[in-house]
Amino acid sequence: EPEVTQTPSHQVTQMGQEVILRCVPISNHLYFYWYRQILGQKVEFLVSFYNNEISEKSEIFDDQFSVERPDGSNFTLKIRSTKLEDSAMYFCASSEAVWGGRYTDTQYFGPGTRLTVL
Amino acid sequence: QKEVEQDPGPLSVPEGAIVSLNCTYSNSAFQYFMWYRQYSRKGPELLMYTYSSGNKEDGRFTAQVDKSSKYISLFIRDSQPSDSATYLCALRDGYNKLIFGAGTRLAVHP
Repeated sequence: EPEVTQTPSHQVTQMGQEVILRCVPISNHLYFYWYRQILGQKVEFLVSFYNNEISEKSEIFDDQFSVERPDGSNFTLKIRSTKLEDSAMYFCASSEAVWGGRYTDTQYFGPGTRLTVL
Repeated sequence: QKEVEQDPGPLSVPEGAIVSLNCTYSNSAFQYFMWYRQYSRKGPELLMYTYSSGNKEDGRFTAQVDKSSKYISLFIRDSQPSDSATYLCALRDGYNKLIFGAGTRLAVHP
């Protein structure tokens, strides 16, 4: 069964450093997402991406964050200058569509990257 | 008022019990409702997807949406130890964004 994969599974970085979290969405999916989950808190939407553009972003997704689809398979989240409060589990998700049926807009999640900022 | 409220539990039940998990939401415009299951240190996995009001059944799982009360439920029949996980309700906001509840931690003990 196709699945979303993410690397690394755990990233430790120093405050102020840049990190890039990588995701390989399901191959025929067109819409890509990043969510984060701070320990003990809700899963929160960060950004959605379609056709090489951000289609929606949350208040959390400020200028320190950026996303990119550098090639036909990868989808990345970059945090330019990490803060302690960026420590969280980051989930990538993908969907085939956003409209048009019961299942084609289902978002499938990867296993997550645990980011620890020291 | 928070958009989605979900009791975080934990909920502990014996094997074979019927489990009822619930969420309430504030925005009557929501039309698409989901239940995800999340095992420890894993990503959320879609369990049930419901559009508008009504019931949907899949094996031991039943999802119920009552839009008049802004209340969604997930029932698990004949619960198994393998059902032990965190259950997240999620609502779709617009085209892209999922809004999650806090998650209810369920433990099914043999």
